[in-house]
Amino acid sequence: DSGVTQTPKHLITATGQRVTLRCSPRSGDLSVYWYQQSLDQGLQFLIQYYNGEERAKGNILERFSAQQFPDLHSELNLSSLELGDSALYFCASSVSAPMNTEAFFGQGTRLTVV
Amino acid sequence: GQNIDQPTEMTATEGAIVQINCTYQTSGFNGLFWYQQHAGEAPTFLSYNVLDGLEEKGRFSSFLSRSKGYSYLLLKELQMKDSASYLCAPYSGGYQKVTFGTGTKLQVIP
Repeated sequence: DSGVTQTPKHLITATGQRVTLRCSPRSGDLSVYWYQQSLDQGLQFLIQYYNGEERAKGNILERFSAQQFPDLHSELNLSSLELGDSALYFCASSVSAPMNTEAFFGQGTRLTVV
Repeated sequence: GQNIDQPTEMTATEGAIVQINCTYQTSGFNGLFWYQQHAGEAPTFLSYNVLDGLEEKGRFSSFLSRSKGYSYLLLKELQMKDSASYLCAPYSGGYQKVTFGTGTKLQVIP
């Protein structure tokens, strides 16, 4: 158990819908990262937050948004869902803002868009 | 930009040694991570190399050559549970992202 909690574990929804994925980082970790992993593809970095502020942005679609709340949990919002958004979405956390330390990954949310 | 090259798949025998290579090109470099990921599961940290040379940690060792843009992960005394994908991930530093390669899928056979 990495200490990072993601909910829900599985999500099935229809095209055009909107979903929210939730992540609780390890106790004491201030940084949260979101990654997308499509079938047989690498982890694609989406966005990073540190202590409530956005720190780095990857190839995140405009239909996607995220935030980190005062209690440090984070949410990733995906809207106008398309079939191609089906993927595993991982959240990771680390102590520092620069990601030069071990990151701990949650078990992921498997999103299926039908 | 960043470019990472690892073999897609490898097969090795239980009890043997396997070396997984990774070459990378990045616009800045601070260090390189290796993560292990079992199918459908979360990646788990194996190592982080900042300096050139070999770092050993139990059955796993990781090597880095910054001048050559090259790293390898060495797995000794292979066990069936080592069957997984191994992700090479260079880190550019600061608030830059960690870029993960597509990984090398290792199959350990009896």
